[in-house]
Amino acid sequence: NAGVTQTPKFQVLKTGQSMTLQCAQDMNHEYMSWYRQDPGMGLRLIHYSVGAGITDQGEVPNGYNVSRSTTEDFPLRLLSAAPSQTSVYFCASSYPDTLGTQYFGPGTRLLVL
Amino acid sequence: ELKVEQNPLFLSMQEGKNYTIYCNYSTTSDRLYWYRQDPGKSLESLFVLLSNGAVKQEGRLMASLDTKARLSTLHITAAVHDLSATYFCAVPNSGGSNYKLTFGKGTLLTVNP
Repeated sequence: NAGVTQTPKFQVLKTGQSMTLQCAQDMNHEYMSWYRQDPGMGLRLIHYSVGAGITDQGEVPNGYNVSRSTTEDFPLRLLSAAPSQTSVYFCASSYPDTLGTQYFGPGTRLLVL
Repeated sequence: ELKVEQNPLFLSMQEGKNYTIYCNYSTTSDRLYWYRQDPGKSLESLFVLLSNGAVKQEGRLMASLDTKARLSTLHITAAVHDLSATYFCAVPNSGGSNYKLTFGKGTLLTVNP
């Protein structure tokens, strides 16, 4: 199993550009989430999904869109990039079981100029 | 609103010493997660604590959970350099939903020879 994969690993954007961060998992996990990590802030939840076709907002959703058409994929779209979106983005997935451990992807480092 | 506070945020230790990292959270939860992050890497699950009084140990790390005090501790015994990393605790929002985690800001642990 590849686990949770994310592409790209690193991206530079100009203000106003749009892009999609890809996330895929091959563990048949129902739950998937996107977090951003900023220095001194821990991880903050952007959007999450409890299954194909079902998404909802987390703590910091503004400027981001998600969709989930399949169990495996959960892309994160930046509509019009801003310097404040410079961050490291992590995708995570989990089962709705007793342990509920979230498994994290390797991350995408995004720089918005 | 759930708040998760870790302390200390920075910890510099000598090899062979013991220390404890504290994680307080503001609302009722029956589970708590500890993660480790090496510089430039993703998050790795360390412990899942599922009930009041739960204690988990792996190697030189031991984690415990007191749900009544809303407190978890991560105890380091006889620290070694390989334990240098950032440690996060995380608590589920919304009644235990593991896809919506609130993270502490992390404790950057440096173990010096």
